[in-house]
Amino acid sequence: SQTIHQWPATLVQPVGSPLSLECTVEGTSNPNLYWYRQAAGRGLQLLFYSVGIGQISSEVPQNLSASRPQDRQFILSSKKLLLSDSGFYLCAWMGRENSPLHFGNGTRLTVT
Amino acid sequence: DAKTTQPNSMESNEEEPVHLPCNHSTISGTDYIHWYRQLPSQGPEYVIHGLTSNVNNRMASLAIAEDRKSSTLILHRATLRDAAVYYCILRDHFGGANNLFFGTGTRLTVIP
Repeated sequence: SQTIHQWPATLVQPVGSPLSLECTVEGTSNPNLYWYRQAAGRGLQLLFYSVGIGQISSEVPQNLSASRPQDRQFILSSKKLLLSDSGFYLCAWMGRENSPLHFGNGTRLTVT
Repeated sequence: DAKTTQPNSMESNEEEPVHLPCNHSTISGTDYIHWYRQLPSQGPEYVIHGLTSNVNNRMASLAIAEDRKSSTLILHRATLRDAAVYYCILRDHFGGANNLFFGTGTRLTVIP
């Protein structure tokens, strides 16, 4: 069966520090991969998505970047965190067309 | 992209049925209606989806209006574990998940 792993679960980082969040998917190949952010009490905002290795589409220009070095690995990064980067970050994958989105358990990031 | 409208919150007594409404008056002919739910501090999980006919699965039922401009997610017997935020979203049959709009959903409170 397919599983998605996202870590760490929580993270507290100072302003100006770098960020690296990792997401891996098991049990499937060539998934579409997604990074979302959820601010407190808000809906989900799509940040990046990828349809294949090295292919990244950005939905919202900002202080973050994404990379997909391997088929089932998706990384969210920042060189210098801002206070506004705090939030709940969710990785998700989708298999064949119109199949459901499967989310990880998220990373709660607090930038202090 | 077509959007959906849901009540901000609803309450239900435990072991009673719950009907969660969703309006999508601008739905297109190729849009599927998807429902997800998000438990506290977790990523959203897929619940059910449909196109025109009513759908049933082990988690819930989906009733779709004849004109497809509204739908209702039905939990037949609410349990405390069903307390979550429920999202109704539209998804084009031929599209990926990069244009899905997760709003603020309906926060369901289950009263013991």
